Amino acid sequence: GAGVSQTPSNKVTEKGKYVELRCDPISGHTALYWYRQSLGQGPEFLIYFQGTGAADDSGLPNDRFFAVRPEGSVSTLKIQRTERGDSAVYLCASSRTSGGVGYADTQYFGPGTRLTVL
Amino acid sequence: AQRVTQPEKLLSVFKGAPVELKCNYSYSGSPELFWYVQYSRQRLQLLLRHISRESIKGFTADLNKGETSFHLKKPFAQEEDSAMYYCALGVAGNQFYFGTGTSLTVIP
Repeated sequence: GAGVSQTPSNKVTEKGKYVELRCDPISGHTALYWYRQSLGQGPEFLIYFQGTGAADDSGLPNDRFFAVRPEGSVSTLKIQRTERGDSAVYLCASSRTSGGVGYADTQYFGPGTRLTVL
Repeated sequence: AQRVTQPEKLLSVFKGAPVELKCNYSYSGSPELFWYVQYSRQRLQLLLRHISRESIKGFTADLNKGETSFHLKKPFAQEEDSAMYYCALGVAGNQFYFGTGTSLTVIP
């Protein structure tokens, strides 16, 4: 089937606005991850879902960031009151399982959404 | 704390020459190491992971727990290997920590 998809591919917004970024994982993958990649850096973990629940949101930088996955498939990352420092590529990944003790499952990445806050 | 270090941001080699991309990690538990590659205008994709011990596109990587390293090697570089390479550490709970990446250029 299709890989992980993300929409939009590019989003330009003004400082202070609200944005939503969407991720559609690989069918049947139970785990979903959001990362942020700033210029010259590797992907930085934000949040991970196992099914519908956020299993680990320790990477969210502050309470302006929020993500949901209401039906255990598509996920939306929501950013309120955007700031220029939020400009980055937001990556979504999914994996078949969430791994276990001593085992990390392979994550498959989407193409990313490039967010630019003016 | 968990950390992945890729000391070289840029690496250039001539076609046919051996290439080694360095990766060191810091983790107190049992590590799962991965190499991801991003070709121009494409998404991040898995190149290889240490537990599978495979050779993908001629690349290999050996986990050295004593040196906490997972260097990526290929004996003869090809032009199509030019890409961005990221080393990643997977820990319990499937959280991944990525290095800052190495941009490899293979000169014809």
